[in-house]
Amino acid sequence: QQPVQSPQAVILREGEDAVINCSSSKALYSVHWYRQKHGEAPIFLMILLKGGEQKGHDKISASFNEKKQQSSLYLTASQLSYSGTYFCGTEVSGSARQLTFGSGTQLTVLP
Amino acid sequence: KAGVTQTPRYLIKTRGQQVTLSCSPISGHRSVSWYQQTPGQGLQFLFEYFSETQRNKGNFPGRFSGRQFSNSRSEMNVSTLELGDSALYLCASSLKTGSTNEQFFGPGTRLTVL
Repeated sequence: QQPVQSPQAVILREGEDAVINCSSSKALYSVHWYRQKHGEAPIFLMILLKGGEQKGHDKISASFNEKKQQSSLYLTASQLSYSGTYFCGTEVSGSARQLTFGSGTQLTVLP
Repeated sequence: KAGVTQTPRYLIKTRGQQVTLSCSPISGHRSVSWYQQTPGQGLQFLFEYFSETQRNKGNFPGRFSGRQFSNSRSEMNVSTLELGDSALYLCASSLKTGSTNEQFFGPGTRLTVL
């Protein structure tokens, strides 16, 4: 079952923060985050495994709440280069090892 | 290190025809996954190949098939094309099988079915 991402779209100014959420109705084994710019291939951001760990890279970090089956992606002090569509991909515990992606969150950072 | 390459980049076909898409993974990567991307459905998993064996298959009809060669290159075939097959087809490679591995996506093949 496809995870639900929210919000569907967000517009912010350079330097502002944003949070993108990804929720599943099923128990998750892992959550993956990717960013795709228009006309380009999705780029890997990070993987979170069950256990509630939080990961970060530069000013982009993510958390995984195993109890809520929810992951959140945090973008701090957004840069123009952060613009794009963010997808979460989820792997359900106990199922075949494949990713099911959400419908994406379109993030636009304005100068 | 060269990235994932896909050929052709663009393809126009008519209903009823068949099409073959090709994907060359990053050197050393043995897993290749295929995805269909459409505005309405987003990214949908088609199948994954590892060491020339299909490891996983998504919820697509049998018209969609694939294979992987000994050099890890993979092909995807769609027979009896339908209008709804128009999409961007992405392949992604990773070192190992299983989704807890970073996947590197290719630029995709844009298929248009008329």
